[in-house]
Amino acid sequence: DTGVSQNPRHKITKRGQNVTFRCDPISEHNRLYWYRQTLGQGPEFLTYFQNEAQLEKSRLLSDRFSAERPKGSFSTLEIQRTEQGDSAMYLCASSSREGSYNEQFFGPGTRLTVL
Amino acid sequence: DAKTTQPPSMDCAEGRAANLPCNHSTISGNEYVYWYRQIHSQGPQYIIHGLKNNETNEMASLIITEDRKSSTLILPHATLRDTAVYYCIVRYQGAQKLVFGQGTRLTINP
Repeated sequence: DTGVSQNPRHKITKRGQNVTFRCDPISEHNRLYWYRQTLGQGPEFLTYFQNEAQLEKSRLLSDRFSAERPKGSFSTLEIQRTEQGDSAMYLCASSSREGSYNEQFFGPGTRLTVL
Repeated sequence: DAKTTQPPSMDCAEGRAANLPCNHSTISGNEYVYWYRQIHSQGPQYIIHGLKNNETNEMASLIITEDRKSSTLILPHATLRDTAVYYCIVRYQGAQKLVFGQGTRLTINP
């Protein structure tokens, strides 16, 4: 299966530590998205890449968050100096430019717990 | 993006049709209606989308009212595996981000 993959699936860290998550999109999908989902809520958009260019960032993406997509393939999301409020599921999605409706395919997510 | 309103939860018997409503009274003419679902511990999954006409695919049917202010997602023969949170999303064609609300938690009962 060549769906969207995310690693790690679970991450437990102490407050103040840095964490990095990885997303591998579906092969040849040029668009990649990051969302965050807290318990009982729908996913919230964080940022979007087209190829290697980061084209949109939500105000939710504070200075402690940084996302990259070198070479337009996999992407990483780093959170510096984690806070307990960062505890959430971090979802990655990808889509192809083809098609008019831009269906997004989601990965299984990385669940972050900040102690 | 227009706001959507969905009931927080619904129940349906296995084998029956599940009809999930969504209100989007402020939808504009070039906004599409999308439905995604999220099964527990998984990422959201695209189901169907439409603009004006009713749509059907292998997963579901989408009925959009003539004034486009509301829609209904129909799962014709619900199974236990259809238990999930269903999200109705209104989005401009070409817009990149999806704006999720809280969705409807659908429980299929045996």
